[in-house]
Amino acid sequence: DAGITQSPRHKVTETGTPVTLRCHQTENHRYMYWYRQDPGHGLRLIHYSYGVKDTDKGEVSDGYSVSRSKTEDFLLTLESATSSQTSVYFCAISPGTGTFYEQYFGPGTRLTVT
Amino acid sequence: AQTVTQSQPEMSVQEAETVTLSCTYDTSENNYYLFWYKQPPSRQMILVIRQEAYKQQNATENRFSVNFQKAAKSFSLKISDSQLGDTAMYFCAFMKLGSSNTGKLIFGQGTTLQVKP
Repeated sequence: DAGITQSPRHKVTETGTPVTLRCHQTENHRYMYWYRQDPGHGLRLIHYSYGVKDTDKGEVSDGYSVSRSKTEDFLLTLESATSSQTSVYFCAISPGTGTFYEQYFGPGTRLTVT
Repeated sequence: AQTVTQSQPEMSVQEAETVTLSCTYDTSENNYYLFWYKQPPSRQMILVIRQEAYKQQNATENRFSVNFQKAAKSFSLKISDSQLGDTAMYFCAFMKLGSSNTGKLIFGQGTTLQVKP
């Protein structure tokens, strides 16, 4: 299995509070992604990174920010959590450069915003 | 923009029988990958099978095979000899290729498959 972990695995927070989710990889892969999974929508891309300090928006980026200061870590921040951000969040990694099909997913983080 | 549609929210099959999950997609791209992912109750996303659009031959992985119809933009998954461990949600996904490729996946809504003993 690819070395990819997410923390925390579960979190309950209140509306309006900031939340940061962490994705950590030991594969030295260049690309990292954050997806959210919601019933009826499958997984949707929030943000992705193509290198240290290089990030870009996905299809559902409003209300989220990301940072990548090291190859191994990709942080997803909800500046002020809302109930609509209750979801399961997945991180994924890929080596890139012709091998994008080798995309590995983390175990997911279930976030509940009350 | 690309879209992926799975029109079967739920399906069931008897153990040892064959089941086919449907997926259609919309794109103007000519170079892309298509995938089927499995998500069991553990929530882990597991790659089941991959198809390169430039390949006419349908991909096969043990009991899993696809029917890739590029002109019709259809990509169905056939599971033969269904096993109880196949019970999961299955996602169809699209990835555009090319010089600006970033590996972004576009997923369908998912199909929940239950294998009954």
